[in-house]
Parts: sequence; C-alpha cells; structure tokens
Amino acid sequence: GQSLEQPSEVTAVEGAIVQINCTYQTSGFYGLSWYQQHDGGAPTFLSYNALDGLEETGRFSSFLSRSDSYGYLLLQELQMKDSASYFCAVNFNKFYFGSGTKLNVKP
Amino acid sequence: EAGVVQSPRYKIIEKKQPVAFWCNPISGHNTLYWYRQNLGQGPELLIRYENEEAVDDSQLPKDRFSAERLKGVDSTLKIQPAELGDSAVYLCASSLVRGIWGGYRGNNEQFFGPGTRLTVL
Repeated sequence: GQSLEQPSEVTAVEGAIVQINCTYQTSGFYGLSWYQQHDGGAPTFLSYNALDGLEETGRFSSFLSRSDSYGYLLLQELQMKDSASYFCAVNFNKFYFGSGTKLNVKP
Repeated sequence: EAGVVQSPRYKIIEKKQPVAFWCNPISGHNTLYWYRQNLGQGPELLIRYENEEAVDDSQLPKDRFSAERLKGVDSTLKIQPAELGDSAVYLCASSLVRGIWGGYRGNNEQFFGPGTRLTVL
C-alpha cells in the first residue's frame, strides 16, 4: 500500500519561515507535488519534485529525498494570505494526496 | 484562458436520489480527474481519464458511481442512489500529460475546478 503523513496543523507568525514535512511509504513513484487550498477554495499547484533536491519558486521551496522517503515544503517570509491547507501528493500513475497540514499565520 | 468549469456548485438531495456532476476541463487538456474531498481530508482520486479512456478507476465505488467522458472533453460523474456518506465536495481537475512510450510524464500540475458541494439528507 501507500501512505502519506503530514502534521495536521502548524502555527507561525508573519514574516517567519515554516517547514511542512511529508513522509511517504511507496516506491517507484514519479515525483512529489505540493498543493495549497484556502478554505472553501480549490487546490492550487505549488511545486513538483521529480528529482532529489530543492526546487525554489519565489517564497516557496520544496525538497525531496527518495532515499529517505521524505519531502518538505518551505515557506519563507510568511504572509497572512499563506494561511491555508497544504497537501503533498505522490504520483506513480496513481495519485494520492496526504490529509493536509493546516497552516495558521498569526500577526 | 478559462479554468476548469464545474456545475452545479451546490447540490442538496435526499438519500436514495440520483445526482450528476458536470465538468468542462481546460481546453487542450487530455487528462481529467474526479476527486472526492471530505472535510479536513485531502482529495481522494475517484477516476482518471486520458482522452476518452478511464485509465484508473480503482477507487470508484462502481456499485453506485459511474462516470463518462464522451469525445474526450467534458465529463459527468453520477451517483445513483446517493447515500448519506456521499456528502462531500466533488472536485474535477485537468492536466496536459505527454506520454512517451507509455507511462506518465509531466510535472503533475493539475488544475482544479471550484468543486460541487454535495449534501445528502
């Protein structure tokens, strides 16, 4: 089978840096994705790691280590609008989303 | 460019009634997904189409759920009969996937529609 584990909730202050971890149990997958979803909204794509290492997109970075079955999303210079749920998802010709991490950004 | 369109946005029905959801993907996207999302959970894939072909329907409860994607564009998802546990948000997503020698390729960027919030009473 396959499973994805993320912390259920994280709280941080505006301007800070936060890391959301994702551990998985699957093999032979193509890559790890991250999606953001505001309350009542649709998930929106943030990043994708097909290879080990760090991918940077503006204030957001994502990391993958296949040998450790681990990835993370790093959010820098947090803003209030970053308060949302963040999902990691694995893709191996099937798609599985984690249960999500609710990020609360406080002033 | 228009995004993924879904209708209706909200639906309230009584249990045992049928219900259908419609999705129009982004123009040119060959892959279409239907997800179900329960409150506080991640999206759960129900079915994935590549063009007209359902390439993964392993998590679709086939006793009551059905889907079709005629002509490889629009898609409908149907539940008949609905049960209380079907209350959820049903999301449609699309992506452009280029397969070389078979298999999945791409950056996994899926574009989601606004979803249909289904309430079964």
